[in-house]
Amino acid sequence: KNQVEQSPQSLIILEGKNCTLQCNYTVSPFSNLRWYKQDTGRGPVSLTIMTFSENTKSNGRYTATLDADTKQSSLHITASQLSDSASYICVVNNYGQNFVFGPGTRLSVLP
Amino acid sequence: GAVVSQHPSWVICKSGTSVKIECRSLDFQATTMFWYRQFPKQSLMLMATSNEGSKATYEQGVEKDKFLINHASLTLSTLTVTSAHPEDSSFYICSVTGGFEAFFGQGTRLTVV
Repeated sequence: KNQVEQSPQSLIILEGKNCTLQCNYTVSPFSNLRWYKQDTGRGPVSLTIMTFSENTKSNGRYTATLDADTKQSSLHITASQLSDSASYICVVNNYGQNFVFGPGTRLSVLP
Repeated sequence: GAVVSQHPSWVICKSGTSVKIECRSLDFQATTMFWYRQFPKQSLMLMATSNEGSKATYEQGVEKDKFLINHASLTLSTLTVTSAHPEDSSFYICSVTGGFEAFFGQGTRLTVV
């Protein structure tokens, strides 16, 4: 069964601190993995997209890693800001237009 | 990149009435659009795939007679929630894919009272 799991379910950190979110998947065949940021009451916004051959991709303070062998990905947020408070969703595409969504990690950044 | 616009962003309706949600692809011709539903603190769940000029494909468990989808042009898909009930209250999001990218609308918060 194609599944995407994320941990932790929720996370609270202080402003300026770093954090890492985890994503494990069993989707096959694998095409690409994406991380999205979803603010409350808004649609998801793409942060990174990685294909099978990519191990690391950065977008500003966001750095995503991918280990296709172990089927794991992480999203590292550096020097967190209050505006980083959101849900972060890991999505795996298994070719075509079939996307499998993870449950998300709800991040709260406190001043 | 493609920009997807959804309207309305929120709607409150009475139980038993119907509500139409529009999804527009502003600068990308989309033969396929996707409709998702998201309950509080849960992830997006695919409801149906909207196909331009043909019938939509519904996911298992989604009632096609209740959630009517029309994709009459390459830039517009509509989702109509018919005879809405309070349990239909949710966040509805549409999506358009182009190449590797998937673009999401802003979402529509539906509250049925």
